[in-house]
Amino acid sequence: DAMVIQNPRYQVTQFGKPVTLSCSQTLNHNVMYWYQQKSSQAPKLLFHYYDKDFNNEADTPDNFQSRRPNTSFCFLDIRSPGLGDAAMYLCATSDKTRGLYQPQHFGDGTRLSIL
Amino acid sequence: DQQVKQNSPSLSVQEGRISILNCDYTNSMFDYFLWYKKYPAEGPTFLISISSIKDKNEDGRFTVFLNKSAKHLSLHIVPSQPGDSAVYFCAASGSNYKLTFGKGTLLTVNP
Repeated sequence: DAMVIQNPRYQVTQFGKPVTLSCSQTLNHNVMYWYQQKSSQAPKLLFHYYDKDFNNEADTPDNFQSRRPNTSFCFLDIRSPGLGDAAMYLCATSDKTRGLYQPQHFGDGTRLSIL
Repeated sequence: DQQVKQNSPSLSVQEGRISILNCDYTNSMFDYFLWYKKYPAEGPTFLISISSIKDKNEDGRFTVFLNKSAKHLSLHIVPSQPGDSAVYFCAASGSNYKLTFGKGTLLTVNP
C-alpha cells in the first residue's frame, strides 16, 4: 500500500542536542508538509516543500529546518531542542498535480520528548 | 486567532444513532473543507471533503454539510458504530492549499 512513513515513532533527545526526524512516501506526491501538534491543540504547519521549493511559515522558529533530498524523503532538523519543542511531529503529503482540491495524507507521527 | 473552531471538545452517542460534529470558520477565503479522523498513536486519516461550490457531500455513512453564509460545516455519521470512536479534526484551506485545523472533537460511540 502506498503510504507516508515516519521514523522513528518515538524519539528522546537531550536539551540542546540536535535531532533529525524523517519522513518517506511511496505516493509520489509533489508536496510534503511538516506539522507540530501539542497536546489538545490543532496541528500547526511548520513548513512545506512544493516540489523542491521550500516554504517556511512566518512564525516557525529558526531552530527548525528541513531538507528534501528527493521526491520521496523529507527531514525535519531541530538544531537545539528546548523543552517547549516536545510534541508530536506529523509529516503529510499531497498531490497538487491533480488539482487544487486534494487532501493531505498523514504519517503516524514522531513523538519527540526532551530530557 | 483561531480561524477554524470546533467548540465541542467531546461528544458521546449511542451505537446506531446519529453523530453530528460541528465546525465554524472565520476566514471567508477558505474554499475547501475536510474532516480527518485520528485514533490514538496514529496520524490523522482523511475522511471526507467538500468544496465551497457544494453544500453537501456524502460517502457511505458520512455526510458533510457546508453552510457558507453561516461559515459553518458539520459532519454527520449515520449510523454511528463503536469503531467510529476517535478524535475528529475539521480543516480548511484557501488558494494557498495550506490546511488550517481545528482543535478536534473526541467522539465516543457507546455500545
